[in-house]
Amino acid sequence: QVQLVESGGGLVKPGGSLRLSCAASGFTFSDYYMSWIRQAPGKGLEWVSYISSSSSYTNYADSVKGRFTISRDNAKNSLYLQMNSLRAEDTAVYYCARAFVVVTAPRPDAFDIWGQGTMVTVSS
Amino acid sequence: SYELTQPPSVSVSPGQTARITCSGDALPKQYAYWYQQKPGQAPVLVIYKDSERPSGIPERFSGSSSGTTVTLTISGVQAEDEADYYCQSADSSGMVFGGGTKLTVL
Repeated sequence: QVQLVESGGGLVKPGGSLRLSCAASGFTFSDYYMSWIRQAPGKGLEWVSYISSSSSYTNYADSVKGRFTISRDNAKNSLYLQMNSLRAEDTAVYYCARAFVVVTAPRPDAFDIWGQGTMVTVSS
Repeated sequence: SYELTQPPSVSVSPGQTARITCSGDALPKQYAYWYQQKPGQAPVLVIYKDSERPSGIPERFSGSSSGTTVTLTISGVQAEDEADYYCQSADSSGMVFGGGTKLTVL
């Protein structure tokens, strides 16, 4: 079945780095935009970044621009998020999601498949 | 980027109709999408392109759009519908979520 499984979360000190991974299965990974969305404890959803199917296009929320880098390996059916210069406000559950296009690209419109998330805690 | 505004909470009795609104200046030009999130679970897409329902989503979920406001309507609310609901839209600058609405089934 269609599945996304995140990994790589954990506790990291402010200023530190962490790399999240998302393993996809059950669909043709290389056909889809992919995205990261986060949710701080007790808060709402916040879009973080997306990447096009061939890695040609990426986009980031202003809150992470210059600190986070999204990438993918279509041969491994995997999505990544490299997070540098982490701050306390980056503490959240990070979800990997499959994105789909309704309006003409190059951007996705929404998310139809979500992983269960991985927790990132930034604290000294 | 723009903002989407939702009421923090909506309460309804079982069997009644719940309406959750989402307002944003860009909504006349962009489609809206709705997600349901139950505690400890990932969000689930329940409405796409303002009013379309994905396969597997019960018919009691519907969506509509009028000007700068989109509405998620749940007819004949059931206890299992108690959850947080988020609207979402997108444009060239990125993707944005509303702040979320907690639906309480009394």
